[in-house]
Amino acid sequence: EAGVAQSPRYKIIEKRQSVAFWCNPISGHATLYWYQQILGQGPKLLIQFQNNGVVDDSQLPKDRFSAERLKGVDSTLKIQPAKLEDSAVYLCASSSRTRTGRTEAFFGQGTRLTVV
Amino acid sequence: SQQGEEDPQALSIQEGENATMNCSYKTSINNLQWYRQNSGRGLVHLILIRSNEREKHSGRLRVTLDTSKKSSSLLITASRAADTASYFCATDTKPISTGANSKLTFGKGITLSVRP
Repeated sequence: EAGVAQSPRYKIIEKRQSVAFWCNPISGHATLYWYQQILGQGPKLLIQFQNNGVVDDSQLPKDRFSAERLKGVDSTLKIQPAKLEDSAVYLCASSSRTRTGRTEAFFGQGTRLTVV
Repeated sequence: SQQGEEDPQALSIQEGENATMNCSYKTSINNLQWYRQNSGRGLVHLILIRSNEREKHSGRLRVTLDTSKKSSSLLITASRAADTASYFCATDTKPISTGANSKLTFGKGITLSVRP
């Protein structure tokens, strides 16, 4: 089974520029998460999709961040314009509730963003 | 906001010793999960314990859950140098918005160092 794919792996941009990250979840997984992980901290949920609908985006800075999940499969996360404090690893994860109620998430390798 | 709080923040032990990590949380959960993250990598799911379970084993891992105290512990027995990583607890809770049955929220993590 293929895992969660993310690209790019690394990105360096100047502040005020824009950037986009792409995620391809595990086939058949209805739930897709985007997390932001600042160095030395735990992952912070930015947005959660159930199929192509947004379930939770309460911690997404909507003035600069946007995300979409077209057709309930791939997803993109965009930052425009970027700030220095956006430097972090952006993790995509997907999950699917099993018949036994298991909901563990499978993570991609992440995209390390450096804003200079 | 962080749901789970792990302690200690950092743990250093000798190879062969046991490592115990604790997690406390604030709200009702569907289940609690533990993840490992090696430096520069995505998170890997280790073990899941449901809210109606008290103890779970998987290889050298043992996890306990006390819902009355809203706490969990992860025990790694006979540690190895390869266990060196960051460990996170994640609570699976029901999102406020409808459309999904679970939301995964991570703590800040514990850095485990196993000395050879």
